[in-house]
Amino acid sequence: AQRVTQPEKLLSVFKGAPVELKCNYSYSGSPELFWYVQYSRQRLQLLLRHISRESIKGFTADLNKGETSFHLKKPFAQEEDSAMYYCALSGITGNMLTFGGGTRLMVKP
Amino acid sequence: EADIYQTPRYLVIGTGKKITLECSQTMGHDKMYWYQQDPGMELHLIHYSYGVNSTEKGDLSSESTVSRIRTEHFPLTLESARPSHTSQYLCASSVPGSGVYNEQFFGPGTRLTVL
Repeated sequence: AQRVTQPEKLLSVFKGAPVELKCNYSYSGSPELFWYVQYSRQRLQLLLRHISRESIKGFTADLNKGETSFHLKKPFAQEEDSAMYYCALSGITGNMLTFGGGTRLMVKP
Repeated sequence: EADIYQTPRYLVIGTGKKITLECSQTMGHDKMYWYQQDPGMELHLIHYSYGVNSTEKGDLSSESTVSRIRTEHFPLTLESARPSHTSQYLCASSVPGSGVYNEQFFGPGTRLTVL
């Protein structure tokens, strides 16, 4: 069985501070990990995927297979980063996503 | 314009009523999904489809049913709504594949309240 855990329901930081949203997973094979984001009154959308090794809106995430983690990081938070962030895992079946519980990020001015 | 549409966006209905939540996509995707999401909570997959005439139940047991008669259309039906069905329902679609092709596109959601 695959499982995704986001230990923090709410993370509040000041503008300009570093941000790290935690994500841990359990999966016996080689997973594909994703971060999805939902801004206020907008749809859930893909932020980044580990396989692309990309930086989107200043966010990066590294897959650590030893620690089974995929934490999302940004060195300097902006107010427009305030949103709900979901970590998701796709396993051997491909496309099927298991979502974590989500973390609400609030960036204060 | 390629998009995913969900109607209605909001629905308040009485217990025992039959309801159908509509989901249509013009993305040309084969795979479609229904998720249930309570406020501030994780998304749970309740149904998915690999293509026409293909439907499967997801991880979360649901009393709803789905059909896939046309590629672009994936409606969800509740025969007899109950207050426990109150939730947000998200429809999504994707192309088959993994890696860089593995992305689900979400609709705006239907917020259902059963009184």
